[in-house]
Amino acid sequence: DTGVSQDPRHKITKRGQNVTFRCDPISEHNRLYWYRQTLGQGPEFLTYFQNEAQLEKSRLLSDRFSAERPKGSFSTLEIQRTEQGDSAMYLCASQDRDTGELFFGEGSRLTVL
Amino acid sequence: DAKTTQPNSMESNEEEPVHLPCNHSTISGTDYIHWYRQLPSQGPEYVIHGLTSNVNNRMASLAIAEDRKSSTLILHRATLRDAAVYYCILRGYSNSGYALNFGKGTSLLVTP
Repeated sequence: DTGVSQDPRHKITKRGQNVTFRCDPISEHNRLYWYRQTLGQGPEFLTYFQNEAQLEKSRLLSDRFSAERPKGSFSTLEIQRTEQGDSAMYLCASQDRDTGELFFGEGSRLTVL
Repeated sequence: DAKTTQPNSMESNEEEPVHLPCNHSTISGTDYIHWYRQLPSQGPEYVIHGLTSNVNNRMASLAIAEDRKSSTLILHRATLRDAAVYYCILRGYSNSGYALNFGKGTSLLVTP
């Protein structure tokens, strides 16, 4: 399968713990996006990378959140000192440069107890 | 960013056509109209997009008004598998690169 893959699919953690999500995009896509989705809402943009450069961060991305894409391939999203309000689905997408089409992974669902 | 307005929900019978409307009265000349859908427990998936002319693909058709202030996604024969949330999104360059800004979309219920 050559689609976008995310790991883990589900994560349950206690408040205050750190969590890290990984995204492997489609290999030829140089743009990668992170979104967050809560129940009943559409996905909300968090941040995006072009190759290894993080070019934009949403105001939703507090200083407890950090994202990296060290070699312009896979990306990680880390949340430090998790809070119950961080419970959500974290979606990763890579983008076809020619069409602009986003290809989403199945998401990583975070539950903070 | 230009906004879109969609009904919260719609219902259709299986094997009947479905017309999902979207209003985007503040669309700019360079904004593309994208449609994505999200099946339960999955990430969104691309459906179709267009700029000015109507578009057809294997999944759906996109009818764009002449003034581009509205569009309609047409599913020619709804199946149970088409039950999903459908998002109408305008894509133009912004500080978020070419990120798509999703709204709440239209939740489509398909009944047998």
